[in-house]
Amino acid sequence: EVQVVESGGGLVQPGGSLRLSCVTSGFAFNTYSMNWVRQAPGKGLEWIAFISSSSPTVYYADSVNGRFTISRDNVKNSVYLQMNSLRAEDTAVYYCVRISGRVLDYWGQGTRVAVSS
Amino acid sequence: VMTQSPDILSVSPGERATLSCRASQNVFTNLAWYQQKPGQAPRLLIYGASTRASTIPARFSGSGSGTEFTLTISSLQSEDFALYYCLQYNNWPPWTFGQGTKVEIK
Repeated sequence: EVQVVESGGGLVQPGGSLRLSCVTSGFAFNTYSMNWVRQAPGKGLEWIAFISSSSPTVYYADSVNGRFTISRDNVKNSVYLQMNSLRAEDTAVYYCVRISGRVLDYWGQGTRVAVSS
Repeated sequence: VMTQSPDILSVSPGERATLSCRASQNVFTNLAWYQQKPGQAPRLLIYGASTRASTIPARFSGSGSGTEFTLTISSLQSEDFALYYCLQYNNWPPWTFGQGTKVEIK
């Protein structure tokens, strides 16, 4: 069974940093690309970061480029999102999502990030 | 840009629901549909515009290509009242979602 489990969310002050983790199981992690997608309270879904399966290629949404860094550890079957210079508008539920043939197929349950003083 | 219509769809249980998604440029059949219930993560329903994901009931069907797409729920069950999003994955990055359609009980 495919499992995707995020952690690391919480309350952080504006300008602060947070590192999200996503642990996966049930599939050959090193052969899949992964995304982070977020959802602000009461809003729709926003793709924010992509990492390819190996020798990683990464892409970011303009809204987070230069502040967020996506990385992965294929030994630990994990993907990470380092978030720096956080803003109030980064407040959201952050989902880790597997990509299969460009389709975002398996989603974690999400981890909440709140940026507030 | 992906545009869904309507924003809210009021339907009685047992009736058919038809949701639309329009792309601002040709995405061929690189279009997926997701269902999201309150407090839950999105769940993949349809990919390739018309292929049901595993375990998705046959009452869900997708159609379309190019710029116009439709998700049809043939006979709404109580568990189908939720938010629905379309997603294009033809031109990436970025992956772009529609703004969502809420299917509510009439």
